[in-house]
Amino acid sequence: DAKTTQPDSMESTEGETVHLPCSHATISGNEYIYWYRQVPLQGPEYVTHGLQQNTTNSMAFLAIASDRKSSTLILPHVSLRDAAVYHCILRASSSFSKLVFGQGTSLSVVP
Amino acid sequence: GALVYQYPRRTICKSGTSMRMECQAVGFQATSVAWYRQSPQKTFELIALSTVNSAIKYEQNFTQEKFPISHPNLSFSSMTVLNAYLEDRGLYLCGARGQNNQAPLFGEGTRLSVL
Repeated sequence: DAKTTQPDSMESTEGETVHLPCSHATISGNEYIYWYRQVPLQGPEYVTHGLQQNTTNSMAFLAIASDRKSSTLILPHVSLRDAAVYHCILRASSSFSKLVFGQGTSLSVVP
Repeated sequence: GALVYQYPRRTICKSGTSMRMECQAVGFQATSVAWYRQSPQKTFELIALSTVNSAIKYEQNFTQEKFPISHPNLSFSSMTVLNAYLEDRGLYLCGARGQNNQAPLFGEGTRLSVL
């Protein structure tokens, strides 16, 4: 499984826009970039995913580099509820492919 | 909406005994279910991937003899931890994916403590 690299932790202030980076230099052509987040005592929550084009939804904006070797999850106007561990994961498009979680980035948000 | 429900949320068992946990897909058909264990140190381990109409594929270090899984239909899966010991402690997560290669949805997990 291809690996991703993320900073261990980041800190932000309420109301800021946060940029969470992810490096995936060995990504394959059929691999999607998935982002999940997890708060303590709960399972991972799906945030977004993309293949090549930037994507946006109610939770976040995903910016994917043109060479696909890196991506950035952008969280606009973070609140205290956005504090979580954010996981950047590669997953092939096959029906039998799996999500392989790393350590993720622990995002803390201060008032 | 679609969600995944896991039961029980927390459980405690004596060392050497077994514990069964369940995973229910609500609002969608779970064509594949992945079981994970998250250690107290927050490390994720994939235990096995179960896809309807295919054999259950276990990851290295995990076996059917220790973690038997049942996936009888498109809405339900269960896994048993047999002969649980301290190293089996952790949060057991079920991630279910529907048709059309949707993003897997996770339940809130079953937290297993072993005495």
